[in-house]
This record gives sequence, structure tokens and C-alpha cells, in this order.
Amino acid sequence: AQSVTQLDSHVSVSEGTPVLLRCNYSSSYSPSLFWYVQHPNKGLQLLLKYTSAATLVKGINGFEAEFKKSETSFHLTKPSAHMSDAAEYFCVVSMLTFGGGTRLMVKP
Amino acid sequence: GAVVSQHPSWVICKSGTSVKIECRSLDFQATTMFWYRQFPKQSLMLMATSNEGSKATYEQGVEKDKFLINHASLTLSTLTVTSAHPEDSSFYICSASQGALGEQYFGPGTRLTVT
Repeated sequence: AQSVTQLDSHVSVSEGTPVLLRCNYSSSYSPSLFWYVQHPNKGLQLLLKYTSAATLVKGINGFEAEFKKSETSFHLTKPSAHMSDAAEYFCVVSMLTFGGGTRLMVKP
Repeated sequence: GAVVSQHPSWVICKSGTSVKIECRSLDFQATTMFWYRQFPKQSLMLMATSNEGSKATYEQGVEKDKFLINHASLTLSTLTVTSAHPEDSSFYICSASQGALGEQYFGPGTRLTVT
């Protein structure tokens, strides 16, 4: 059985400050992990994925995530938020189990 | 990148009628397509997985007679909501992949409102 928990339903940051979106997972085997972003009225876009290679994964738009097996975490980070980053973010385990989502708000 | 389209993007129908939603992979052959449902401010819930030419596999709790899925070709899958009721109002999202374990490419979604 697999599950994924996004620890924050809403995150608010100021433009130019770091972003941290938290994700914890459980899986009975080594999972593949993904982060997707959903902008209003648009399809989900893949930000990055972990598939048992390097534990630090770099994605598009300056996002990266680190797989920590000991903590069963796969947190998403970005050094400096941009207004265009405001969206809903989903952590996904093995492509079919979605977290509850985190809405990122970016203040000017 | 791979593009998946959905049609219509939004639809309003009366209670008791049926609605068909199309999902197309525009520039690749999708052996597997997935249908999700998303309630307001909630996550995506997988409804069913369909492989081209075979019957869809439904997730627990999803009524297969109500949500008819057809995957007749490598570029088209359809979801028909039969005898729709207001509680079926939701955002329906499809995704397509080349194989069940391949990366999924998501469509933009279809918003269904049943009055």
C-alpha cells in the first residue's frame, strides 16, 4: 500500500524568498516520486521526478527536491519565489497516488 | 512535449442526461489512459485505468456502469457519465502514457456541472 501526505494545504511566501513544500510518503517498496504543478484551468505539468537515481533532483523553473529515505520525505524547494509560481502543487507516489495538494501563494 | 487534449473543456447538462468527455493524445500513441476526478480544493482521485482495446480497470468505489470508459484507439479515450446527477458535478482530468508505468501527460480537464 502507498500513501502520500502533503503537510501544508496552503503556503504563502513573499516574492524573492525561498519556497518549501513538504511531502511525506509511505510505500512498501522503493517508490517513484513526482511533483506536479497545476495552474488554474490548465493541465498538470511535471516539475520533476525521482526514480532511484540521484537523491537530489532538479526540475524545471528552478525547483528541486531531495529524496530522503530515512525520513520518507520528498520536499520541494526553490531558492527564490516568483509571482508566476503561484499555483497548486501535488506530490505523487508511483504516478497514481496523489497527495492532497499545497496551494502556493506568492505576495509581491 | 507530449500534448493531451480534452473536449469539451466545460459542459452543463440536466440531471438524468448523459455526457461524453473525450481525451486525445495529439502527438504520441497512448497505450494507457487514466481518468481522474477532482473535487473543489481537493486532490485528484484515480477513477479508472484503460488500455487500448481492452476493458477499463476501475478503482474501488467507482461505478463502472455509471462511468463508461472506452479506449478504442491509441489516441482516443472517452468517459461517458450516464444518467448524470448533481453529485457527479466535478472536474474530470485524463492523462495518457506509453505503457502503464510510463510518464503520464495530463489533459487540461473538463468541468462538468449537472443541474
